[in-house]
Amino acid sequence: EVQLVESGGGLVQPGRSLRLSCATSGFTFRDYAIHWVRQNPGKGLEWVAGINWNDVRIEYGDSVKGRFTISRDSANNTLHLQMNNLRVEDTAFYYCVKDKGATISHVFDYWGPGTRVTVSS
Amino acid sequence: AIQMTQSPSSLSASVGDTVTISCRASHDIGNELGWYQQRPGRTPNLLIYAASYLEEGVPSRFSGSGSGTDFTLTISGLQSEDSATYYCLQDSTYPPTFGPGTRVDIK
Repeated sequence: EVQLVESGGGLVQPGRSLRLSCATSGFTFRDYAIHWVRQNPGKGLEWVAGINWNDVRIEYGDSVKGRFTISRDSANNTLHLQMNNLRVEDTAFYYCVKDKGATISHVFDYWGPGTRVTVSS
Repeated sequence: AIQMTQSPSSLSASVGDTVTISCRASHDIGNELGWYQQRPGRTPNLLIYAASYLEEGVPSRFSGSGSGTDFTLTISGLQSEDSATYYCLQDSTYPPTFGPGTRVDIK
């Protein structure tokens, strides 16, 4: 059974940093692209960042480019999202999402339960 | 970025009804569109990819159609567990963009 479990969310002040992690199991982690998608409570969905199977292709949404860094640790089947210079508008649930393919296809076939990030002074 | 719109924004239907949800892209995206279901308090779930391919394990009452800029999700024989918000997602052009969602309520 494919499982993705996020951690690292919490309350943080604007301008500070936070690091999210996603522990995965039930599939061969190194064979698939993987992403972060976020959802402001009560609002819609926004793709944040994605990384392909071999780290060669990494993409970011315009709203986080230059502030967030996605990385993967294939030895531990874990995905990370380093979030720097956080803004109030970054407040959201952050989902770790598996891609259907090895290269980035943006077809998201498995989602984690999410971790909540609140940016507030 | 490609803008995605959905209509209607919400609807109410009875069990057994056939429901259609529309999604429109601001530019031609070929068939690179997916549909996702999000039940209240739950995470999104992939229903359809490449406009018309049913994801494994998804009931056959769900179907997708369309290409270019206009797409449709059809639920044939609505069930109570289909009460959810449905999102389309274009994966043709960076960045991938979601539609605003269509909420489906059961009468």
